[in-house]
Amino acid sequence: GAGVSQTPSNKVTEKGKYVELRCDPISGHTALYWYRQSLGQGPEFLIYFQGTGAADDSGLPNDRFFAVRPEGSVSTLKIQRTERGDSAVYLCASSLFGGMSYEQYFGPGTRLTVT
Amino acid sequence: AQSVAQPEDQVNVAEGNPLTVKCTYSVSGNPYLFWYVQYPNRGLQFLLKYITGDNLVKGSYGFEAEFNKSQTSFHLKKPSALVSDSALYFCAVRDRGNKLVFGAGTILRVKS
Repeated sequence: GAGVSQTPSNKVTEKGKYVELRCDPISGHTALYWYRQSLGQGPEFLIYFQGTGAADDSGLPNDRFFAVRPEGSVSTLKIQRTERGDSAVYLCASSLFGGMSYEQYFGPGTRLTVT
Repeated sequence: AQSVAQPEDQVNVAEGNPLTVKCTYSVSGNPYLFWYVQYPNRGLQFLLKYITGDNLVKGSYGFEAEFNKSQTSFHLKKPSALVSDSALYFCAVRDRGNKLVFGAGTILRVKS
């Protein structure tokens, strides 16, 4: 079946601009996660949705970052007033349920470059 | 907080030889451990997980991992390496709130 998809695959933006990154999870998966991966590092957690609600947003670095999942499927990560330090690969993952034992399936990521 | 460590930045092995990629963990409570592989310009692919039960876990592409509670380790293994196994490997532990905490990653290079 179809895996997790993310659009765009690449995004180049100027410092100070607003960007939206989209994630389409695997159909039927109730849990959705966003991670950020900087060069040479492992992914770092940003936010976790169970259904439509954000169950854990403790990884969002500051209030410029916001994410939504209004219908419990597609999610959008929004970044306001982008900074060069926001440049990274943003990964989305989904799992069937949000329990500890369920593995997460990752999308190919969106590479964000802030110039 | 839960954490994992991957002590090797890179592992080199000859094709056909056994491979081991090391991971140690630090958790409070029972560990939920995972291995993922990342190929260039692609997302992470799930390989295997340890939740409970047998200490030897079998996963995708012939990989397996051995959970060792006394040594707090969860090393990834494969009996016979392939050139196509060359990639970046991440160990991860499930933290409260269901998020994954990843290690820094280990580059595996298999030479023919």
